[in-house]
Formats: sequence, C-alpha cells, structure tokens
Amino acid sequence: QVQLVQSGAEVKKPGASVKVSCKASGYTFTSNAMHWVRQAPGQRLEWMGWINAGYGNTKYLQKFQGRVTITRDTSASTAFMELSSLRSEDTAVYYCARETYYYDTSGNRIDAFDIWGQGTMVTVSS
Amino acid sequence: DIQLTQSPSFLSASVGDSVTITCRASQGTSSYLAWYQQKPGKAPKLLIYAASTLQSGVPSRFSGSGSGTEFTLTISSLQPEDFATYYCQQLNSYPITFGQGTRLEIK
Repeated sequence: QVQLVQSGAEVKKPGASVKVSCKASGYTFTSNAMHWVRQAPGQRLEWMGWINAGYGNTKYLQKFQGRVTITRDTSASTAFMELSSLRSEDTAVYYCARETYYYDTSGNRIDAFDIWGQGTMVTVSS
Repeated sequence: DIQLTQSPSFLSASVGDSVTITCRASQGTSSYLAWYQQKPGKAPKLLIYAASTLQSGVPSRFSGSGSGTEFTLTISSLQPEDFATYYCQQLNSYPITFGQGTRLEIK
C-alpha cells in the first residue's frame, strides 16, 4: 500500500541541525511532489516547503528561507528535510505529506495532501 | 499570505448530532480548500478536497461546501470515531496555510 515512513525522534541542542527522512513506497516516487509540515505542541499545522520529487526544484516558506533544505534521493524513494540553527521554538512534530492532484470538470488542477508520514518529533533543548 | 480562521475553535457534541465547522479566508481561495481530521498523536487525514469532494474511503456523513472566502465542513450523525480536531487548508496560493483547528469533543 502507499505509505510514507519517517525517521525516528531526535533531540538536538540549540544551534544544531536536524535531518529528517521520509521513505515512500507503493507508488512512483517521482510522480508526486512532497511537502513538509510541522506542528509545534498545541499549535496549528505549519507548511514549511515542498520538493518536486521528479525535477528536484523546491519552494520554502519565507520564514525558513536559509535554514531549511529539502532534498530527495530518487534511487531510494526518499525525501529529506534538514533544518539548521535550531532553536527551542523549532520543537515540533515534523510531517512529510504527498501531494496528489486531480482535475475538475473545468480542467483546473486541484491539489491535496493525501498521504502523510507518521511524524517525527524533534526536540530542541539545552 | 492567506489567513484561515475557523469557528468555533472548540465544539462539544453528542453521538448522533450534526455539526458544522466554518473556515473563513482572508482572501478568495476559489475552491482550493481541503479539510483534514487529526486524532491525538496521529498524522492528519484528508477528508475533503476542492472544497466539496469527498476523499475516497471517507464516510458520506462528511460533507463540504463553499467557495471564495467562506467554507463549511458538516458532519452528520456523529460517530464516536469522529471526535478529533479538524483543520482547513488552502492551496490556492503559496504559502499554503492551515486554519487554527476545531477541536470536537464528546458532550
């Protein structure tokens, strides 16, 4: 079945970097974009960025520009999200999510996040 | 950025009730809006996309409507497994944004 399996929980000190992986199975990895979303404790979901798994181009949320890097390894069907210069406010669950798309009756492309990883808890603490 | 505001933020209801959650956008999002359900400790689950299209496998008691800046998610005849937090998401423009969530609890 289609699934995304993420790497395990991480504990990092302020200023360090973390790299979270997201391994896809059950579909052609390069056919769908992959997004990263995080959720701090008790907070709303926050979109961080995405990668076109086929071409490798990326787009990031402005607030993370310069601190986040999303990459992929097509041979391993795996996407990665690396966040640097960690601070306590980065403590959150990080999710990868597959973007799927549909076309409505007018031919407009409609996107949605149909498959999510199980989440990776990243704790930043001194 | 498009801000999404859900109301109410908290909702208490009983099994069998019908409930409606509203999501208002600060700018028009056409029909590029999705709804997700999230249970504690779990990843979000896609319920509805394109404002009103039910994702495969989602029970028909879930329905969505709206376009532009106002959208609703209705759950008819609540079941015990429906008690969770619900989020709207706009995919009309970057950055993609989510509502603050509506927590649905058993009365």
